[in-house]
Amino acid sequence: SYELTQPPSVSVSPGQTARIACSGDALPRHYAYWYQQKPGQAPILVIYKDSARPSGIPERFSGSSSGTTVTLTISGVQAEDEAAYYCQSTDISATYRKVFGGGTKLTVL
Amino acid sequence: EVQLVESGGGLVQPGGSLRLSCATSGFTFSNYNINWVRQAPGRGLEWVSYISSSSSTIYYVDSVKGRFTISRDNAKNSLYLQMNSLRAEDTAVYYCARDLYGVQIDAGMDVWGQGTTVTVSS
Repeated sequence: SYELTQPPSVSVSPGQTARIACSGDALPRHYAYWYQQKPGQAPILVIYKDSARPSGIPERFSGSSSGTTVTLTISGVQAEDEAAYYCQSTDISATYRKVFGGGTKLTVL
Repeated sequence: EVQLVESGGGLVQPGGSLRLSCATSGFTFSNYNINWVRQAPGRGLEWVSYISSSSSTIYYVDSVKGRFTISRDNAKNSLYLQMNSLRAEDTAVYYCARDLYGVQIDAGMDVWGQGTTVTVSS
């Protein structure tokens, strides 16, 4: 079945740039979304439709797409950005379903 | 303020049933497609089910087909998930999550509830 693949972990120092990739064969045909989830909290949408940023999300969060890979970039990482990040897209190959990547734990050193 | 508030979780024995509810406020519920998403302890997010704004279109992940039923009452601004024949692997936090407005096939979820915990154990 269709899967989205993310690295399990990424580590950066404060002020550096973090990049989290998500790969999937159908990403050229379907939008990708990114969610931030801190321990014990519900997910928050940080990027929608590959690269759009919801109101209230800091400008340091950006998204991009190239072929079968989408990337979440966090510029000037802050300690408060430490969280798990999940990509999500759509699979309609057999029946409709929303698909999540396995999640990436961002550690701010 | 847009809010989604889940309730109905708890401890249930394998083979048992639970009905989750999601009460909404702050937006026109009848205009939005809604989902249930779950997260097993220490695991990632898993989409469970989708219902369109008018209830005309419903989808489920394969692992819950025939056991779970999603429904909504637009007059009460509420979403439901009837869960039958529960298994240990259904143990998770269950979130209701609103689809982005105006996006059909490729929608993401812009508002989430705080979740309700379902534990299936003897």
